Amino acid sequence: DGGITQSPKYLFRKEGQNVTLSCEQNLNHDAMYWYRQDPGQGLRLIYYSQIVNDFQKGDIAEGYSVSREKKESFPLTVTSAQKNPTAFYLCASSNQRGSAGANVLTFGAGSRLTVL
Amino acid sequence: AQSVTQLGSHVSVSEGALVLLRCNYSSSVPPYLFWYVQYPNQGLQLLLKYTSAATLVKGINGFEAEFKKSETSFHLTKPSAHMSDAAEYFCAVSDPAGNNRKLIWGLGTSLAVNP
Repeated sequence: DGGITQSPKYLFRKEGQNVTLSCEQNLNHDAMYWYRQDPGQGLRLIYYSQIVNDFQKGDIAEGYSVSREKKESFPLTVTSAQKNPTAFYLCASSNQRGSAGANVLTFGAGSRLTVL
Repeated sequence: AQSVTQLGSHVSVSEGALVLLRCNYSSSVPPYLFWYVQYPNQGLQLLLKYTSAATLVKGINGFEAEFKKSETSFHLTKPSAHMSDAAEYFCAVSDPAGNNRKLIWGLGTSLAVNP
């Protein structure tokens, strides 16, 4: 079955440590996204990538970094510069070649990061 | 600029009762509108979408939504709630240019279903 796999599902980090969240998709989607979800705040876009080897900052990119070396993979690194990293992180993908404006996001199951 | 407002962060209904989750939007151009559902500790799943075709849109799990341009609304309804409908529901709006970078999310409505 096609889908998005995020790992790990739960992650604990000490302050000052960088952590990398994995996101892999086998949907052959061109675009991939990282969102952060906090209670009562909806989804906020961290980074997105529309094509391999290219990515753009979203609304809350500070303290995060990404890479897009392969179409299937879009890992997110939460750096020590992110002052409040405890959150639920969601990876998503979409097929930009669909009918314009109707692209649907497919989400992974999420990764919950807790800073100790 | 586009925006989305979901009225009511928490809604509680009895099993078998009507479910009504409200979503209002603002947009300078005819928007595309989406409802997603999120079960606890999971990702989001598309319920339905409006893309300027029929104004009444039917989705999965018995949900439907009606686009009302005059009211700038896209409320989600289900005639009879099931316990399994308990989840977080998100409304989102995008412009028809199809750039998901500009997908604007509501803050979500948590639906509780009481036996």
